[in-house]
Amino acid sequence: EDKVVQSPLSLVVHEGDTVTLNCSYEVTNFRSLLWYKQEKKAPTFLFMLTSSGIEKKSGRLSSILDKKELSSILNITATQTGDSAIYLCAVPNTGNQFYFGTGTSLTVIP
Amino acid sequence: IAGITQAPTSQILAAGRRMTLRCTQDMRHNAMYWYRQDLGLGLRLIHYSNTAGTTGKGEVPDGYSVSRANTDDFPLTLASAVPSQTSVYFCASSLLAGGLRGANVLTFGAGSRLTVL
Repeated sequence: EDKVVQSPLSLVVHEGDTVTLNCSYEVTNFRSLLWYKQEKKAPTFLFMLTSSGIEKKSGRLSSILDKKELSSILNITATQTGDSAIYLCAVPNTGNQFYFGTGTSLTVIP
Repeated sequence: IAGITQAPTSQILAAGRRMTLRCTQDMRHNAMYWYRQDLGLGLRLIHYSNTAGTTGKGEVPDGYSVSRANTDDFPLTLASAVPSQTSVYFCASSLLAGGLRGANVLTFGAGSRLTVL
């Protein structure tokens, strides 16, 4: 059965801290892994990873995929209160159905 | 503005009532999806459609039905609502369909908050 597991479930940090969020997956015929950020409403797209070892970066956020370990990490450096959100990981299967993890709830305290 | 429109934004209804959540996209995406989001359970796929005229069941399809008469619209119907269907419902779409066509990115609507009493 295809599944995606995220850890930790929740995290509380102070502004300026660096955080690492984890996503592991078991999906038949893996093609890609996606990260989303969800604040009050709809999830918004952050990264799509398809190749192992190649870091995707956007400002203070970065992500990397490890196909050998069937996992990905999302790093956020110098966290700000605006980074407070739920971070979701998703993996599509061969039928184009996207499976999501339960998400990591990040709270950044001023 | 291109994107996905969901309606209603919020709705309270009595158990046993029929309810249809509407979803329209103007991006000419082939695939569309309905998810529900519940605290501690994340986003769970209800139904999906890889192309107009076809639909499939996701992880939690019971109590829900969908149709895909054309590319743009993908309504979700609760035939007889029950309190356990209280949730936030997200419609989403992706450009490509089918595992052999390569990677996709999901775009989400703003969500519909449904409360069943």
